[in-house]
Amino acid sequence: GDSVTQMEGPVTLSEEAFLTINCTYTATGYPSLFWYVQYPGEGLQLLLKATKADDKGSNKGFEATYRKETTSFHLEKGSVQVSDSAVYFCALSRYSSASKIIFGSGTRLSIRP
Amino acid sequence: DSGVTQTPKHLITATGQRVTLRCSPRSGDLSVYWYQQSLDQGLQFLIQYYNGEERAKGNILERFSAQQFPDLHSELNLSSLELGDSALYFCASSGGGGQDRGYYGYTFGSGTRLTVV
Repeated sequence: GDSVTQMEGPVTLSEEAFLTINCTYTATGYPSLFWYVQYPGEGLQLLLKATKADDKGSNKGFEATYRKETTSFHLEKGSVQVSDSAVYFCALSRYSSASKIIFGSGTRLSIRP
Repeated sequence: DSGVTQTPKHLITATGQRVTLRCSPRSGDLSVYWYQQSLDQGLQFLIQYYNGEERAKGNILERFSAQQFPDLHSELNLSSLELGDSALYFCASSGGGGQDRGYYGYTFGSGTRLTVV
């Protein structure tokens, strides 16, 4: 079945460091790929998405590129801030009438001032 | 405010009891999805409703049930509660502008934290 694997956390970085959170997926066809973010005490928010191969999703300085050949959708940010501390979820969904989103296990990111 | 409203925010109850969690989707959205988030199992899909009808079922226990009403709000009923049911329960919605499937992304509510003691 469809699945998402993302790097285990927690990840701790200093402010202004470069961030990469790895994500790979298994799915048939061409699913949509997402990154969701969960700040403490809140629900999940859509951070960015991509719907076809080589698409780049971007938002708030975060980027991820849909790589069909490597089945990956790694999240990157050039310079992280303390306010980026949160849990990040990689996810996918196929185009069908009953298409739910399948989430990875989440990666907790902590940024030190 | 995401537009998806979940009540109550917190719920503490005893084992064996029954509770009802409520979700109002974002205006215009026809699909409602329920997820359970626990520390050891991440986000587990429970069930999806579309315009009042069940559309997909995931890892939902027989003790749990859900429905979506004509005004599109949804309720998740959890009965014979066990300690292991303690978790965050999220509702999400989609479907505005005909984008009624997860393929386009969901909008999540802020969740109900259920503690079973």
